[in-house]
Amino acid sequence: ETGVTQTPRHLVMGMTNKKSLKCEQHLGHNAMYWYKQSAKKPLELMFVYSLEERVENNSVPSRFSPECPNSSHLFLHLHTLQPEDSALYLCASSQDGESGANVLTFGAGSRLTVL
Amino acid sequence: GQNIDQPTEMTATEGAIVQINCTYQTSGFNGLFWYQQHAGEAPTFLSYNVLDGLEEKGRFSSFLSRSKGYSYLLLKELQMKDSASYLCAVTDSNYQLIWGAGTKLIIKP
Repeated sequence: ETGVTQTPRHLVMGMTNKKSLKCEQHLGHNAMYWYKQSAKKPLELMFVYSLEERVENNSVPSRFSPECPNSSHLFLHLHTLQPEDSALYLCASSQDGESGANVLTFGAGSRLTVL
Repeated sequence: GQNIDQPTEMTATEGAIVQINCTYQTSGFNGLFWYQQHAGEAPTFLSYNVLDGLEEKGRFSSFLSRSKGYSYLLLKELQMKDSASYLCAVTDSNYQLIWGAGTKLIIKP
């Protein structure tokens, strides 16, 4: 496989459930990202990992917990979510986390619905 | 605060030309990106501008004026497959990407 792959593509969960989103990249990139995309709103950066170390956490609620076991895999663990957390969660990777010309390669996203 | 403005939605006709504008106010500037996102798909990179002027890539061109905090994406010879959202993003002085809300482009036959 090539590019950035996200699973599952669609997820419906109750507010008391625990689930995880998975992201995998086969591009040899050093940085990986989680973004939240809501309708008609700008992309919201949630977490950044560079060389497997978390370098940014943009005041994301603790009900979202990232994990980066190696440079190719990224997880987003979800627990006790709220209905307002329903959104498209995009994973991305890039060669270099700190560069003006830092081109992101995105996955197709995981569409999350919280009931 | 930092802000990127772009129109919410635009409509154009197949075969025509459309210009999507993006204005920005950011803490510093290290480049401007345009991404294309088809419904239900991943955003994909279209262009990167860091110097003033026009960059052309086939049917797509991107323009930047740093003094005006302004960019546009020009799409020529529109095709139905160009129906998508177009996202403008700016890298600030801390190399943080600031995103616009995107412009949904509808192409009509």
